[in-house]
Amino acid sequence: SQQGEEDPQALSIQEGENATMNCSYKTSINNLQWYRQNSGRGLVHLILIRSNEREKHSGRLRVTLDTSKKSSSLLITASRAADTASYFCATQPLLNKLIFGAGTRLAVHP
Amino acid sequence: NAGVTQTPKFQVLKTGQSMTLQCAQDMNHEYMSWYRQDPGMGLRLIHYSVGAGITDQGEVPNGYNVSRSTTEDFPLRLLSAAPSQTSVYFCASSHRGIGYEAFFGQGTRLTVV
Repeated sequence: SQQGEEDPQALSIQEGENATMNCSYKTSINNLQWYRQNSGRGLVHLILIRSNEREKHSGRLRVTLDTSKKSSSLLITASRAADTASYFCATQPLLNKLIFGAGTRLAVHP
Repeated sequence: NAGVTQTPKFQVLKTGQSMTLQCAQDMNHEYMSWYRQDPGMGLRLIHYSVGAGITDQGEVPNGYNVSRSTTEDFPLRLLSAAPSQTSVYFCASSHRGIGYEAFFGQGTRLTVV
């Protein structure tokens, strides 16, 4: 079974709004990663947060991790039409193995 | 910078046929893996390798074989294609260890009729 579960499954917002996606997982982790997938393309790494970190920023991205609740959130601020994509969380419970959730489909309308 | 290269991009197979999906990386990554992506299912791990000569099964290995004779290449073989193997297949690579990002190929869209 999959380790991560994203919520919501789909999100539709207007340009300039913030987008928040959540990820819950089941087992202990070393780190949690977020990836982005444009339609028909491979996944691209966005950000990694380690199990001893609570928050991390990268440009317009903000990731939080709550290991007590086994959950993480990805916030995209001031979204743009180009942010339209699917976003996946991936946990790394064991050396190198990445386990992905089902993803959140984000649509940003101009 | 080629990164991770997958071939072919598209393939149609008849039930029972066999084929090999190719994956090559030029980043000297020890770890390579194969995923399949089905609608609404995210990515599921098929097989992975932590170095040349070493492979192991992921979540959904049945019907697939892999080998790793070189660091650069990690082919995925479908032994006898079935319609249930219709999917998009992604190869990924990373440095071996904890906390390394994975680099993905562009995918192979396989249809089994």
